[in-house]
Amino acid sequence: AQKITQTQPGMFVQEKEAVTLDCTYDTSDQSYGLFWYKQPSSGEMIFLIYQGSYDEQNATEGRYSLNFQKARKSANLVISASQLGDSAMYFCATRRADSSYKLIFGSGTRLLVRP
Amino acid sequence: SAVISQKPSRDICQRGTSLTIQCQVDSQVTMMFWYRQQPGQSLTLIATANQGSEATYESGFVIDKFPISRPNLTFSTLTVSNMSPEDSSIYLCSGSSGPREAFFGQGTRLTVV
Repeated sequence: AQKITQTQPGMFVQEKEAVTLDCTYDTSDQSYGLFWYKQPSSGEMIFLIYQGSYDEQNATEGRYSLNFQKARKSANLVISASQLGDSAMYFCATRRADSSYKLIFGSGTRLLVRP
Repeated sequence: SAVISQKPSRDICQRGTSLTIQCQVDSQVTMMFWYRQQPGQSLTLIATANQGSEATYESGFVIDKFPISRPNLTFSTLTVSNMSPEDSSIYLCSGSSGPREAFFGQGTRLTVV
């Protein structure tokens, strides 16, 4: 069964600096995808970035980029030029192996951006 | 990607009552799901909302407690029945029409007193 591991319960970063949030995954599928979401205190889940296992390049979306290392089964989220509004919970997720569109989530990382 | 409007955004309910949460998508989506996020926890899938038929529930969730409807490809409801304080959570609906997308409603923060 798939599993997502986020080993950092909490992280601090200084405003304007970059930060890396770790995510490792375990899957037996050859084709899979990794998602990252941001959850502010309001509770909504905001989609940030997606990486497919066969994508030729690492995904980027504005200040978000994904450091995808397939051999290590890691998909770390890099946030550049951190802003105070980046303070939130961040979840890594992947799809279940039953070919459904259901997601399995990691435990999340709480990021706090310091002014 | 599509946009899901979820309501209510929050509610405080008395134990023993029921609350129905609605999600409206601005375009047709193939799949819709309901997740629960207990305080301080990650998201757990409750069920898949199947259009025109009974929902498919995950282990630990039952239809009597969480009845779900999906009358068409853009709308779904989740009811939390006979609530207890343990049902206090954030409930989120999600939609997807392909393997590379999964978008969420704004969430419903439920407190049961």
